[in-house]
Order: sequence, then C-alpha cells, then structure tokens
Amino acid sequence: ELKVEQNPLFLSMQEGKNYTIYCNYSTTSDRLYWYRQDPGKSLESLFVLLSNGAVKQEGRLMASLDTKARLSTLHITAAVHDLSATYFCAVDLYSGGGADGLTFGKGTHLIIQP
Amino acid sequence: DADVTQTPRNRITKTGKRIMLECSQTKGHDRMYWYRQDPGLGLRLIYYSFDVKDINKGEISDGYSVSRQAQAKFSLSLESAIPNQTALYFCATSDGGGARNEQFFGPGTRLTVL
Repeated sequence: ELKVEQNPLFLSMQEGKNYTIYCNYSTTSDRLYWYRQDPGKSLESLFVLLSNGAVKQEGRLMASLDTKARLSTLHITAAVHDLSATYFCAVDLYSGGGADGLTFGKGTHLIIQP
Repeated sequence: DADVTQTPRNRITKTGKRIMLECSQTKGHDRMYWYRQDPGLGLRLIYYSFDVKDINKGEISDGYSVSRQAQAKFSLSLESAIPNQTALYFCATSDGGGARNEQFFGPGTRLTVL
C-alpha cells in the first residue's frame, strides 16, 4: 500500500522567510505532483515531477524530486502573504499499464504572517 | 467556461436518501476520477474510469457507485447516504496517455448528510 507523508502539517511563518515542506512516499513511483488549495476552493496544479533529480520553479516556489530517497520538497523563498494556502503532494503509482489515481498526503496548512 | 464542472455544488440530504453527484468535462480526457476530501485527511480515491467501459474501485469505494455515461460524464452515487459520507467531493480528469498524467480538478461538491 502506497503511503504519502507530508511534514509539517501546519506551518506559520513570517513574510520574507524561507521554508521547506517535505513529502515522503513509501513505494517506488515515477511521478509526483504538488497542488495548492485555497480555503473552500478546488486544487490547483503547481508542479509535475517526472524523474529523479527533477527540479521545477515558479516564482517563489521550487519543487524537487529524489526518487531514490522517495522524497520531494517544496521550498518557499522569501514568503509573501499570497502564498498562504494548503499544499498537497500526491504520488501516482504508475503501473505501466496506466495511472490508477493519485495518493495524497494530508496536506500542509501554510499561514504567512506580515 | 470551466473545463471540469460538478453539480450540485452544495447538497444537504438526510440519512438513507439516494444522492447522485455529476461531473462533466470539456477537456477531451479519457480518464476521470472521484475523490473525497475530509478535514486533515487529504484526498482519497473513490472510483476511477479509464474509458466508458472501464471502471475501477479506488481506496474507499464501499457505499458508493459510479456511472460513466459518456467520455465527458462521470457520476457518483450514494445509494443510501450516511452521516460519515459528509465530505467535499472532487471530480478530476487526466489524459493519461502522456508521461505527465496531470489531473485537473473540478470545483467540488460539498455534501452534508444529516
């Protein structure tokens, strides 16, 4: 059974600071995803990481994937209030014959204070 | 217009009632998914479908059924709703065939079972 663990689950930080969210998963997988969810809203795709060593950056967010360690990180640089949201990582247990849906972590609730 | 739509957006019902949640997409994707979100638990996969003739159970399918009426439509039914099915339900789609298999989520249906 694939398990996905995020930490921390809750993070309060100040604007301008840097921080990292960690996502560990229990089974070999080819693909990892990061999503953002604002309160009462749907999930917005942030990053798709497809191979070992993949690094993607968008604005103040950077995601990386280490498939050997089964670890992905989402790094926030010089945080701003607009980045306050819940962030989910999700893993696709790609079986070669098709994707069977995503297994999600519990989410990291991020609050960025002035 | 949104690529993935869900109806209704909110629904309050009573224990024992039959409920249908509907999902439609204009993305032309073959693959469709139903997830459930509970506070602090992330999203969990209920059912998924690779095409009209291919439907598969996910992690938490008990108490639910689905129908894939067409490539663009995927419905979730609760045959006899119970209070612990109170949750936020998301439909998602993906093209599946490419390496990314990125999933795109609908706006969600908030279901309350009294």
